[in-house]
Amino acid sequence: GENVEQHPSTLSVQEGDSAVIKCTYSDSASNYFPWYKQELGKRPQLIIDIRSNVGEKKDQRIAVTLNKTAKHFSLHITETQPEDSAVYFCAASIYGGSQGNLIFGKGTKLSVKP
Amino acid sequence: DAGVIQSPRHEVTEMGQEVTLRCKPISGHDYLFWYRQTMMRGLELLIYFNNNVPIDDSGMPEDRFSAKMPNASFSTLKIQPSEPRDSAVYFCASSPPVGKRAPGANVLTFGAGSRLTVL
Repeated sequence: GENVEQHPSTLSVQEGDSAVIKCTYSDSASNYFPWYKQELGKRPQLIIDIRSNVGEKKDQRIAVTLNKTAKHFSLHITETQPEDSAVYFCAASIYGGSQGNLIFGKGTKLSVKP
Repeated sequence: DAGVIQSPRHEVTEMGQEVTLRCKPISGHDYLFWYRQTMMRGLELLIYFNNNVPIDDSGMPEDRFSAKMPNASFSTLKIQPSEPRDSAVYFCASSPPVGKRAPGANVLTFGAGSRLTVL
């Protein structure tokens, strides 16, 4: 089955700096890679996703890149703000297939210091 | 839509007691997932259903855990007997049918979670 590794487990940056979180996956059949943000005591919420037919997707200050050959994908947050502080999870699955389950990485706790 | 509804939000029980967690998926979603979140193990998929049928329960930790989905709008996760190591936040999530997933739309929507503490 799919296995998703996520690094780093914790990340501390100064406000205004960029943050990068990286994930690798094992199943070459996976073609859907969402990122979820979980604030303390809240539910995970989707912030951006990418499918394997594109290499990069951007939404304002966040972007995700995908390297299918190397089986890794990354989340980039630019001009970080204190409200970006949260735990971020990457995930992988087969989109549109009979499998609907997402396999999550262990999470990255991002702290943005003012 | 009110989203995915879970109950109870918090449950404190003693070891050996039966625990039942409940979930109402988003109307029209035909996939339902149960996840468990702990500091040590992160977000783990326990089981998921499609059209009320269990598809994959390989994540269910042991026979003390069972899940049912008697109809499209209700699912339960039961732990009997409960143990302290079952303490965690249990999330239910749902997904729309494959053919109705619009590009960019959220594939998986989580409920608010049920925080279980077993003493």
